[in-house]
Amino acid sequence: DAGVIQSPRHEVTEMGQEVTLRCKPISGHDYLFWYRQTMMRGLELLIYFNNNVPIDDSGMPEDRFSAKMPNASFSTLKIQPSEPRDSAVYFCASSFVGRAGHTEAFFGQGTRLTVV
Amino acid sequence: AQSVTQLGSHVSVSEGALVLLRCNYSSSVPPYLFWYVQYPNQGLQLLLKYTSAATLVKGINGFEAEFKKSETSFHLTKPSAHMSDAAEYFCAVSEGGNTDKLIFGTGTRLQVFP
Repeated sequence: DAGVIQSPRHEVTEMGQEVTLRCKPISGHDYLFWYRQTMMRGLELLIYFNNNVPIDDSGMPEDRFSAKMPNASFSTLKIQPSEPRDSAVYFCASSFVGRAGHTEAFFGQGTRLTVV
Repeated sequence: AQSVTQLGSHVSVSEGALVLLRCNYSSSVPPYLFWYVQYPNQGLQLLLKYTSAATLVKGINGFEAEFKKSETSFHLTKPSAHMSDAAEYFCAVSEGGNTDKLIFGTGTRLQVFP
């Protein structure tokens, strides 16, 4: 498997524009996580899905942020409208529950978002 | 709710010296604990994990960590640092079993000097 695939790797956009980040989890994994990493706040869990259903979105900072998982192989994180303080690296991760319980999360390479 | 605290945002060691990165956890149920490493401009990679089996866990690249319930700690060690170990290290906790979310510490940046 190619691992968790995120696109784009880098995104530069102007304040007020809509931004969509994409993630393809590892095939067979039934959990998908979106994290945000900044120098000030470290790694924050934004939202996670189980079997395509959002389970906990308490980490989503504002209504400007939304996430969807229309099927088991694709998820998006959308920011509309974007603001400079949204600049960060956004990571997607996936995992599954095996016979021994939950596995560790496998991370994508991240999307570095810069809002100017 | 579970949480982890990493003591020391920066640690510097000489090549060949002992590496010790500290992590203390808080959890109301038996935890699963993880150490991840992040190299520049990369995602996070699992180093090792504790899932209620052996308390001394060996991971990749010569790292190991010991789960100490009495101290609520899961410190990461390596006997002899290499230049290639320079990276950021994250401790993380989840509630174990059929857990879901992984909560990360703030990270420790390891520098290795020749």
